[in-house]
Amino acid sequence: EVQLLESGGGLVQPGGSLRLSCAASGFTFSSSAMSWVRQAPGKGLEWVSTISDSGDDTYYPDSVKGRFTISRDNFKNTLSLQMNSLRAEDTALYYCVKYCRGGSCNGYYFDHWGQGTLVTVSS
Amino acid sequence: DIQLTQSPSLLSASVGDRVTITCRASQGIATSLVWYQQKPGKAPKLLLYAASTLQIGVPSRFSGSGSGTQFTLTISSLQPEDFATYYCQHFSGFPLAFGGGTKVEIK
Repeated sequence: EVQLLESGGGLVQPGGSLRLSCAASGFTFSSSAMSWVRQAPGKGLEWVSTISDSGDDTYYPDSVKGRFTISRDNFKNTLSLQMNSLRAEDTALYYCVKYCRGGSCNGYYFDHWGQGTLVTVSS
Repeated sequence: DIQLTQSPSLLSASVGDRVTITCRASQGIATSLVWYQQKPGKAPKLLLYAASTLQIGVPSRFSGSGSGTQFTLTISSLQPEDFATYYCQHFSGFPLAFGGGTKVEIK
């Protein structure tokens, strides 16, 4: 069974930093692209970042580019998101997501989601 | 960047109703579209990918269609457990994007 367990959320002041982690199990982590998706309280879903299976390729929307860094450790089956220069608008529940793409996936989609870790940016 | 516009944003329906949700892309995305269902306090759940392929384990009352810029999610006979918020998402290159969501509520 695929399990994605996020941690690292909390309350941080504007301009501060936070590092989120996601412990993955139940699948071959090193063969899977991974992503972060966030959801502000009462709002919709927003894609935050994607990293390739090797970690060589990373992608971000303009809203977080230059402030957030996604990374992975394929030996520890861990995904991370380093968030710097945090703003009030970054307040959200952050989901760790398994990205199924190509090959045996027969398509592109987010097929497994963690339960999320809450980040609150406030003074 | 590709934007996705869902309509309606709120849909009131009764058990047994046929329900259709629309997702429009700002430019053509072939069939690179996915639908999710999200219930309160829960993570989203994958329903369909490639516009019309049902994810394993999803009831056959859910179906999807469309290509290019216009897509639909249809629930053929709404069940009590289907009251939720539905999101579309495209995978036609980065940046990825979600639609704004459609909340299906009890009429």
